[in-house]
Amino acid sequence: AQKVTQAQTEISVVEKEDVTLDCVYETRDTTYYLFWYKQPPSGELVFLIRRNSFDEQNEISGRYSWNFQKSTSSFNFTITASQVVDSAVYFCALSAYGQNFVFGPGTRLSVLP
Amino acid sequence: EPEVTQTPSHQVTQMGQEVILRCVPISNHLYFYWYRQILGQKVEFLVSFYNNEISEKSEIFDDQFSVERPDGSNFTLKIRSTKLEDSAMYFCASRVGLAGGSDTQYFGPGTRLTVL
Repeated sequence: AQKVTQAQTEISVVEKEDVTLDCVYETRDTTYYLFWYKQPPSGELVFLIRRNSFDEQNEISGRYSWNFQKSTSSFNFTITASQVVDSAVYFCALSAYGQNFVFGPGTRLSVLP
Repeated sequence: EPEVTQTPSHQVTQMGQEVILRCVPISNHLYFYWYRQILGQKVEFLVSFYNNEISEKSEIFDDQFSVERPDGSNFTLKIRSTKLEDSAMYFCASRVGLAGGSDTQYFGPGTRLTVL
């Protein structure tokens, strides 16, 4: 069975602080894909990143960075210099070999001005 | 850039009524999905569809639910007799279907269903 855990239910930070959102996953598959999605108050799911299980390189995209650690089954997401517009619910998701997505429960991030 | 579209954006219905939620996947995509998100909760898989048949479904997807691809562009989710607990955001998703399943699922903006 596959499972995604996001232990942080809610996080509040002040603008310009860095914040890390944790994601821990479980799967028996050797080939799988990890994702992060942002859900703003308007409700849509905005794709942020996809990582496959064979690529453990960290990735940076502007203020966003992702740390994939296969040894600890974690795929953490860091926002540097947070902004009010980053306020949203962030979901980590897992998909094994073309199967449906399994989402984590989400972390609600509030960035205060 | 191509995107998945869903209509309506918000549907209000009375308990016991039938509803049909519509999705237009990205045109060259072959795999289609429905997910559900009850307010404040996580996104849950309902069903996947490929080659005009259901390829996988969750325990949520009971006999009250059905999916159809009535033509070359639409992908629909029907709930035959809605219950209060069907109130949720319903997301449609599609993916190309590359070998190895490595491609990303693209999500539509969602339809918010409210059952009164």
